[in-house]
Amino acid sequence: NAGVTQTPKFRVLKTGQSMTLLCAQDMNHEYMYWYRQDPGMGLRLIHYSVGEGTTAKGEVPDGYNVSRLKKQNFLLGLESAAPSQTSVYFCASSRWDREDQPQHFGDGTRLSIL
Amino acid sequence: QKEVEQDPGPLSVPEGAIVSLNCTYSNSAFQYFMWYRQYSRKGPELLMYTYSSGNKEDGRFTAQVDKSSKYISLFIRDSQPSDSATYLCAMKGQGAQKLVFGQGTRLTINP
Repeated sequence: NAGVTQTPKFRVLKTGQSMTLLCAQDMNHEYMYWYRQDPGMGLRLIHYSVGEGTTAKGEVPDGYNVSRLKKQNFLLGLESAAPSQTSVYFCASSRWDREDQPQHFGDGTRLSIL
Repeated sequence: QKEVEQDPGPLSVPEGAIVSLNCTYSNSAFQYFMWYRQYSRKGPELLMYTYSSGNKEDGRFTAQVDKSSKYISLFIRDSQPSDSATYLCAMKGQGAQKLVFGQGTRLTINP
């Protein structure tokens, strides 16, 4: 049972380059989330989705775009990478039908922007 | 001011000690309170969940919520080196689609 899988695990980019981070979940969850984690800042929500074809902004959406074309996949795009986007990115998913459902996280993508 | 405040530590204690981890929050609408544990280079995983005020116990772990003080705690008894991790509190209101996380506390249990 894979759960939440993030691709790639590591990446180094140059300023101005673009890339897409892929998140896939096999639990048939409706809700999916993208977070970034920086030292001393905890997890900050970038964008989230409450179902296929929907997306919404989180706490720190600037510089990122997302798409949820299939229920099991949630893509995070950086159109023009900046050093401030150096971070560890986590994807999570959860059920929608109960308040106490936990978010299930992937193991993260470590991204460095030079 | 952040909605959820958590002392980032780091916190280092000897094996067998009782550990107390805490978060304060400002939003009185929060009703669902969670503690996540995150090992190095891994994603967070749910450790404890509590609804509204009160205590919940699971083995060596106890979660407490005091809504009147807007304060939540996680206690670890008989701490083990395997408990060394970052602990994140998280919370949300009724019907909310998003969790609000604290900054996380890095805990080390020394053998």
